[in-house]
Amino acid sequence: DTEVTQTPKHLVMGMTNKKSLKCEQHMGHRAMYWYKQKAKKPPELMFVYSYEKLSINESVPSRFSPECPNSSLLNLHLHALQPEDSALYLCASSQDRAGTNEKLFFGSGTQLSVL
Amino acid sequence: TQLLEQSPQFLSIQEGENLTVYCNSSSVFSSLQWYRQEPGEGPVLLVTVVTGGEVKKLKRLTFQFGDARKDSSLHITAAQPGDTGLYLCAGEGYGGSQGNLIFGKGTKLSVKP
Repeated sequence: DTEVTQTPKHLVMGMTNKKSLKCEQHMGHRAMYWYKQKAKKPPELMFVYSYEKLSINESVPSRFSPECPNSSLLNLHLHALQPEDSALYLCASSQDRAGTNEKLFFGSGTQLSVL
Repeated sequence: TQLLEQSPQFLSIQEGENLTVYCNSSSVFSSLQWYRQEPGEGPVLLVTVVTGGEVKKLKRLTFQFGDARKDSSLHITAAQPGDTGLYLCAGEGYGGSQGNLIFGKGTKLSVKP
C-alpha cells in the first residue's frame, strides 16, 4: 500500500461551521504533513508531525488545528474559517522527517470551499 | 528565505516537440525533487537529485542538478499529451530548513495532439 488517503475529497462549509479533514497512510511513515495550495500556486507547508509530535507550525492561524491520533492518521480540524481559506488541502507523508532525500507521498487532497 | 524560481510559468507545445523547464535559486539545496501534478490531485514525485552535476533519466524525461546545487532542469523529449500537467520543483535546505520542502511556483505544461 503506497497510498495516502484523504477524506473528504470535496468540502463546502460556512464560516460558522466546524469540520475536520482526515488523512491516512499505512506505509509505516513517521512524518506527516499538511499543505495548503491555492489555485495556480505551489503547495505551502502548514504543519509537520514527526513521530506523532508537532515539529513545525508555519505560523498558521488557530482556526486550523492539527491532530495526530496515531502514526497512521492525521486530522485537520477547521473552525470559523474565512472565504480566503478556500483551497486544496494536501496531506503528505514520508519515511522520516530528518535527513536528506526524503520522498513525500501526497494524497489527492481535499478541495475546500468556504462560503 | 530560500526561494525557487521556475521558468517558464506556462508552456504550450505540439506533440513531438522537445522542451526544457528550469528551476533556479540563489540558495544551495541538499536535494531537489521534481513533481508532476494534475488538476484536483496531489503532486506525484518524479525524481530526486542529490549530487551536484547529477543527471537522471526517466524514459523521455531527463533531470539535471546543477554543479553548485542551486539549480535544476527538466528536459522532455518528444512530448506527448499525457505529459500535460503542472511540474513543480522542490528543494530541501540545510540545518533548520532540513525536512521542509520549498516549492517553486510550477510550470504548467500543455501538450496538444
